[in-house]
Amino acid sequence: KNQVEQSPQSLIILEGKNCTLQCNYTVSPFSNLRWYKQDTGRGPVSLTIMTFSENTKSNGRYTATLDADTKQSSLHITASQLSDSASYICVVILDNYGQNFVFGPGTRLSVLP
Amino acid sequence: DGGITQSPKYLFRKEGQNVTLSCEQNLNHDAMYWYRQDPGQGLRLIYYSQIVNDFQKGDIAEGYSVSREKKESFPLTVTSAQKNPTAFYLCASKRQGASERGGEQFFGPGTRLTVL
Repeated sequence: KNQVEQSPQSLIILEGKNCTLQCNYTVSPFSNLRWYKQDTGRGPVSLTIMTFSENTKSNGRYTATLDADTKQSSLHITASQLSDSASYICVVILDNYGQNFVFGPGTRLSVLP
Repeated sequence: DGGITQSPKYLFRKEGQNVTLSCEQNLNHDAMYWYRQDPGQGLRLIYYSQIVNDFQKGDIAEGYSVSREKKESFPLTVTSAQKNPTAFYLCASKRQGASERGGEQFFGPGTRLTVL
């Protein structure tokens, strides 16, 4: 069964601190992996996309890494801000057309002042 | 201003009533999707459509119905057969094609449905 797991389930950090969220997957084949940010009560918004040949992709204070050998991805948030409080969802896409995909359950991040 | 819209934002329904959630996009995307999200849980796929006049069941289609008469519109009906319809419903659309961006789904703001 294709699965995408994320850890931790929830995380609380203080403003200004860094944090790393994990995404492990067992799906195969693999085309690319996306991280989405979902603010409470809103729809998810794409942060990064990584193909199997990419190891690192940055988007401002967000840096995603991918290890296709161990089937692990991480999302690192630097110098967190209150607006980073959200759920972060990992999605693995199985084909180049994006027609087959598996969503992870998400990690709920709370940044406190 | 291109995007995907959902209405209403909040919807209340009496038990036993059908209700239709609207989803409209002006991104010229071929594919559209409906998801359900429960508190603390991930997205679950209800229905999806790759092209006008065609749609497929997702993982939790029971108690739901859709139509795709126009490219821009993909309404979802929550029927009285859905036993636990209270949830946050998200609509998404995606451009077709084999490209790096072919997998990106653009989401609407969601509709929160509460059954009283």
